[in-house]
Amino acid sequence: GENVEQHPSTLSVQEGDSAVIKCTYSDSASNYFPWYKQELGKGPQLIIDIRSNVGEKKDQRIAVTLNKTAKHFSLHITETQPEDSAVYFCAARVRTGGGNKLTFGTGTQLKVEL
Amino acid sequence: DADVTQTPRNRITKTGKRIMLECSQTKGHDRMYWYRQDPGLGLQLIYYSFDVKDINKGEISDGYSVSRQAQAKFSLSLESAIPNQTALYFCATSPGQGYGYTFGSGTRLTVV
Repeated sequence: GENVEQHPSTLSVQEGDSAVIKCTYSDSASNYFPWYKQELGKGPQLIIDIRSNVGEKKDQRIAVTLNKTAKHFSLHITETQPEDSAVYFCAARVRTGGGNKLTFGTGTQLKVEL
Repeated sequence: DADVTQTPRNRITKTGKRIMLECSQTKGHDRMYWYRQDPGLGLQLIYYSFDVKDINKGEISDGYSVSRQAQAKFSLSLESAIPNQTALYFCATSPGQGYGYTFGSGTRLTVV
C-alpha cells in the first residue's frame, strides 16, 4: 500500500518568514495530493490540493509543488502570520478500482512566532 | 450548522463497555470514512463506505465495527473498549474520486 512520509514534525518560524513542509510517497500510481490544516480542537480542513498532471499550484500565500519523478511534494507558505500556526497534514491518493482513499502523513506542527 | 457533525464531542468510558460514535452529514456525499488520530501517528483509516451497501475495512479495523444507516449517517462502534483505543476520532466525507475530504470536528474518546 501507499506510504507517506512528512518532514519536519515541528517547524518554528518568525512572522513574515516562509515555511516549507515536505512529503514523499511510495506508490507511483498516486495521482492526487491534498494538504490539510488542523487548528486546535477542530477537524482537518482542506487548504490546497494538486493533481499529478500539474507541477505547481498557488493560492494567495500558499503553494504546492509536485515532483512525480522523485515522488515528493511540498507545501510553501509565504509571509507567515500567527494564524498560520496549526498542524499541517499531507496526503496521497492511489487510483485503485475502489477509488479515493487517502493515506496521510504524520503531520507538521507549525508555530509562527511574533 | 456544520456540514459533518460528530457526536459526542467528548466521551469517557470504562474498559469493556460498548460505545458508539455517530456521524451525520448534510453534504450529500456518498463516501464516508472513519479515521483515528494519535499524536505523532497522523490519521489512520479505520473503515470506509462508498455507498449505503458498501463497507470496507481500513488499516486498523480490529476492535471496531461500523454501520451505514443511510447516505447521511455512518456510525462507529467499539464493542468492548480498551485503553489503547483512547484517541481522537474523525469522520469524513467526499463526493467521489479525486476530491478532498470534509472532516467533522472529532470525538475525543478516553477509555479508562
